[in-house]
Amino acid sequence: GDSVTQMEGPVTLSEEAFLTINCTYTATGYPSLFWYVQYPGEGLQLLLKATKADDKGSNKGFEATYRKETTSFHLEKGSVQVSDSAVYFCALSEFEGATNKLIFGTGTLLAVQP
Amino acid sequence: EAQVTQNPRYLITVTGKKLTVTCSQNMNHEYMSWYRQDPGLGLRQIYYSMNVEVTDKGDVPEGYKVSRKEKRNFPLILESPSPNQTSLYFCASRSGVNTEAFFGQGTRLTVV
Repeated sequence: GDSVTQMEGPVTLSEEAFLTINCTYTATGYPSLFWYVQYPGEGLQLLLKATKADDKGSNKGFEATYRKETTSFHLEKGSVQVSDSAVYFCALSEFEGATNKLIFGTGTLLAVQP
Repeated sequence: EAQVTQNPRYLITVTGKKLTVTCSQNMNHEYMSWYRQDPGLGLRQIYYSMNVEVTDKGDVPEGYKVSRKEKRNFPLILESPSPNQTSLYFCASRSGVNTEAFFGQGTRLTVV
């Protein structure tokens, strides 16, 4: 079945460093791809999404490009801040029959130090 | 404000004592789901619902029940909780295929 693989954490960076969190997927169809962020003690919230190949999602300085040829959706940010410390989840949305299911990666903890 | 509300936020219970975690959304979404989050496993879907009176099993349904009598509510029921159901639970709703999911703030359940 469909699946999402993302790099394991924790990822520890200094403020203003460049961030990449890798995400690759396996899907039989043409899923939509998402990045969700979970701040401490909170639920998940959508960070960005892309619905078709070559689309670039962006929000709050984060970007990710839907690469069908490499089945990837890597998250990047040019200059991280302490406030970006959170757990980041890559996810895909499949629509097999009527399930309309979101499949998540295992999450990557990002810790940004001042 | 668009939101998904779960209650309670924290719950400690004993093995075998039935409990219900409530979930309510105010966005008139058709799709609702329950997930559990465990370290190293990410989020796994427990049950989902496509509309009122339409529910189905997700990836880890054993030991759980749900109901969808109204569009806005989707409670999760543990008839006889066991320690392996100790986890962080999230309810989510979506308006349609490939749309953004809105999550509740989570319920941290401990079964002793």
